[in-house]
Amino acid sequence: AQKVTQAQTEISVVEKEDVTLDCVYETRDTTYYLFWYKQPPSGELVFLIRRNSFDEQNEISGRYSWNFQKSTSSFNFTITASQVVDSAVYFCALSEYGTSGSRLTFGEGTQLTVNP
Amino acid sequence: DTAVSQTPKYLVTQMGNDKSIKCEQNLGHDTMYWYKQDSKKFLKIMFSYNNKELIINETVPNRFSPKSPDKAHLNLHINSLELGDSAVYFCASSPMSRGSVSLYFGSGTQLSVL
Repeated sequence: AQKVTQAQTEISVVEKEDVTLDCVYETRDTTYYLFWYKQPPSGELVFLIRRNSFDEQNEISGRYSWNFQKSTSSFNFTITASQVVDSAVYFCALSEYGTSGSRLTFGEGTQLTVNP
Repeated sequence: DTAVSQTPKYLVTQMGNDKSIKCEQNLGHDTMYWYKQDSKKFLKIMFSYNNKELIINETVPNRFSPKSPDKAHLNLHINSLELGDSAVYFCASSPMSRGSVSLYFGSGTQLSVL
């Protein structure tokens, strides 16, 4: 069975600090997909990124970057120069290719608080 | 225009009642889902429909019955509500049912059972 672990339940930083959210996953499949979603205080779930298991290139999007390492089954998310608006719960998720239905397995989430 | 919309946003009801949550997507997607987020923020899939056909049915009490009148709509009906049903219910959609696609979520329905 697949599993996603986000060991950091809560992180609190001061604005402009860099912060890394950890995500470790378990799966038996060789083809799978990893995701990050953001849930701000307003409650909606916002898609941030999708990465397939064959693409280990790191990705950068503005202040966001993602580090995918298959060797350690990790898909970490870094926010550079954090801002108060980054305060949210961040979820890492895993989906296996070919599964009947896109069954996302979510981690337990990391509550990030960015203080001014 | 909202891509995935669910109504109502808040639902407060008494134990034992029957209630429904409606979901509509205007993205032209084939697959729709219901996820439940509990009080600890944990998200878990409940159901998935692909072109009106049920393809995922997790271990959910049969008091919960999804209905998909067409591929743009997926409603969730809950009979005999219990305190433990209190949660946020998210509807989502995706272009196809394979694991490679990203899900687009609605804004959630906060259900409170008193």
